[in-house]
Amino acid sequence: DIVMTQSPDSLAVSLGERATINCKSSQSVLFRSNNKNYLAWYQQKPGQPPKLLIYWASTRESGVPDRFSGSGSGTDFTLTISGLQAEDVAVYYCQQFYITPTFGQGTKLEIK
Amino acid sequence: QVQLVQSGAEVKKPGASVRVSCKASGYTFTSYYIHWVRQAPGQGLEWVGVINPGDGTTTSAQKFQGRVTMTRDTSTRTVYMELSSLRSEDTAVYYCARGNSDSLLDYWGQGTLVTVSS
Repeated sequence: DIVMTQSPDSLAVSLGERATINCKSSQSVLFRSNNKNYLAWYQQKPGQPPKLLIYWASTRESGVPDRFSGSGSGTDFTLTISGLQAEDVAVYYCQQFYITPTFGQGTKLEIK
Repeated sequence: QVQLVQSGAEVKKPGASVRVSCKASGYTFTSYYIHWVRQAPGQGLEWVGVINPGDGTTTSAQKFQGRVTMTRDTSTRTVYMELSSLRSEDTAVYYCARGNSDSLLDYWGQGTLVTVSS
């Protein structure tokens, strides 16, 4: 299995500021034949199922605000939320879908 | 619109089995996989397994092999996940999620709480 490790486990950011969440995979999730990183980010609010935000490491799902962006390649990835809003309070998970899916442990984002 | 509607909460005793259903609508049922992901109370997400509704083939995580059975009924567009030999550690919310051939999970059911308690 590919182990996904997120950092930090939690963070508090002021409204309007930038939040950065990191995700590291135990092996590369870059598929050479199509040059795509099989890495997704999900947002989960209390009492709700996860919601897909970003896939292929940097492609926003339809309807996701552009303050959410993803970057990285190979084994190191970042989710950035620019201009944090109150409704962004949630737990964020990275997931690799290169092989049998595995998730990071989650990062809890709160307002400072 | 795409919807996945799951069955209601269950309470089971240790050693029993539970079956959770997931009814799909709003898309071609046989064109997408259905994954099962669980979340223990206050914990993260754990992949359980996947079924291809087109041909019924399944794959499960190694830790669930021998205990999980996934089936589908194409006439009702419903997928089922049965977990046997339940133990307290199986207490969790079980989600079904639609996945493409790359296991990208784009739509999720509302979740089904399974509680295992004597």
